[in-house]
Amino acid sequence: GDSVTQMEGPVTLSEEAFLTINCTYTATGYPSLFWYVQYPGEGLQLLLKATKADDKGSNKGFEATYRKETTSFHLEKGSVQVSDSAVYFCALSEQNAGNMLTFGGGTRLMVKP
Amino acid sequence: DGGITQSPKYLFRKEGQNVTLSCEQNLNHDAMYWYRQDPGQGLRLIYYSQIVNDFQKGDIAEGYSVSREKKESFPLTVTSAQKNPTAFYLCASSSRGFLNTEAFFGQGTRLTVV
Repeated sequence: GDSVTQMEGPVTLSEEAFLTINCTYTATGYPSLFWYVQYPGEGLQLLLKATKADDKGSNKGFEATYRKETTSFHLEKGSVQVSDSAVYFCALSEQNAGNMLTFGGGTRLMVKP
Repeated sequence: DGGITQSPKYLFRKEGQNVTLSCEQNLNHDAMYWYRQDPGQGLRLIYYSQIVNDFQKGDIAEGYSVSREKKESFPLTVTSAQKNPTAFYLCASSSRGFLNTEAFFGQGTRLTVV
């Protein structure tokens, strides 16, 4: 079955540091890939997505590139802010799995001033 | 404003009680979903519905029940058969699944057994 593995947190960074959160996946077909963000006490919000190999999703300074050869979708940001502190979830969706989302375990990011 | 609303935000249940979590959306979405989130873990699918009057079990449906009598509403009942119900519950909706359309999540309900 499908699965998503992401680095365990928490990840603690100083403001303006470079962020990478690793995500790798296993899928039977050709999935779409997503990053969702969850701020404290809230639901999930879509951060970015990519639907085919070599696509780059980007939003709010965050980027992730769909790498089919390494089955990866790592999240990056060049300069994090305190307001980026949240839990980040990598996820995939496959048409032959009813378009359901399979989530990774989440990575908590804490940014210190 | 369109959106998806869960209530209540916090819910306390005594052992052996059934409780119902509300989820309402005014986005005219066909599909609705319930997820459970445990600390340090990803989201696990409980139930989903792709059309009114139809729903399917997800990965962890045991001890839960749902109904989909209206397009806008997808309530989740946590029954006494659910042995470990303390968790954060998230409802989501989308027009046609998650693949090519954005899904919207509610703010969540935190259920605690006392």
